[in-house]
Amino acid sequence: DAKTTQPTSMDCAEGRAANLPCNHSTISGNEYVYWYRQIHSQGPQYIIHGLKNNETNEMASLIITEDRKSSTLILPHATLRDTAVYYCIVRHLTNFGNEKLTFGTGTRLTIIP
Amino acid sequence: DTGVSQNPRHKITKRGQNVTFRCDPISEHNRLYWYRQTLGQGPEFLTYFQNEAQLEKSRLLSDRFSAERPKGSFSTLEIQRTEQGDSAMYLCASSLSNAAQETQYFGPGTRLLVL
Repeated sequence: DAKTTQPTSMDCAEGRAANLPCNHSTISGNEYVYWYRQIHSQGPQYIIHGLKNNETNEMASLIITEDRKSSTLILPHATLRDTAVYYCIVRHLTNFGNEKLTFGTGTRLTIIP
Repeated sequence: DTGVSQNPRHKITKRGQNVTFRCDPISEHNRLYWYRQTLGQGPEFLTYFQNEAQLEKSRLLSDRFSAERPKGSFSTLEIQRTEQGDSAMYLCASSLSNAAQETQYFGPGTRLLVL
């Protein structure tokens, strides 16, 4: 699976949009971009995933560049409860093998009141 | 709450003791994963089941570790002769195999402290 690069930490004011970047310049055509987050002392929580089109759900939006070498997770109206470590993961899905997730160290997002 | 439960949530043990953790996945999920997470790091893959078959084990899983999923439902992870280096959060995740939409859902984890 392709390697990802994320900033170590970011701050965002409460109520503003939080934009978390991720670089995955070695991504291949059949690899998906997944985002998880982990609030302190809890298990990782799935947020969103995409292949090449932008995606939106009730939690966030995922913007993937046209060349797919980078993406941005957007939390439209950040709240204090969004303070967490956010992991960007690139994953090749095979449907017949081990779909293990390879986590990096993620971005520690702090929402400031 | 993702629907994946883990017990116990916390375990303190003395070096050399055996410990066992349990994971109950989402009921219809056929895949189950165990991960380990140490302080400041992301989770690392340990092992994976499809139904009751253990199909892959990481090099991180030493001989002191054993995992089972006897009926393809819940799973246990046992650590024998614990060492201080085993102190970590042990996470379980489950998923339903589907190439385009497979998503792993994690439990709350079991935090192990070996004294």
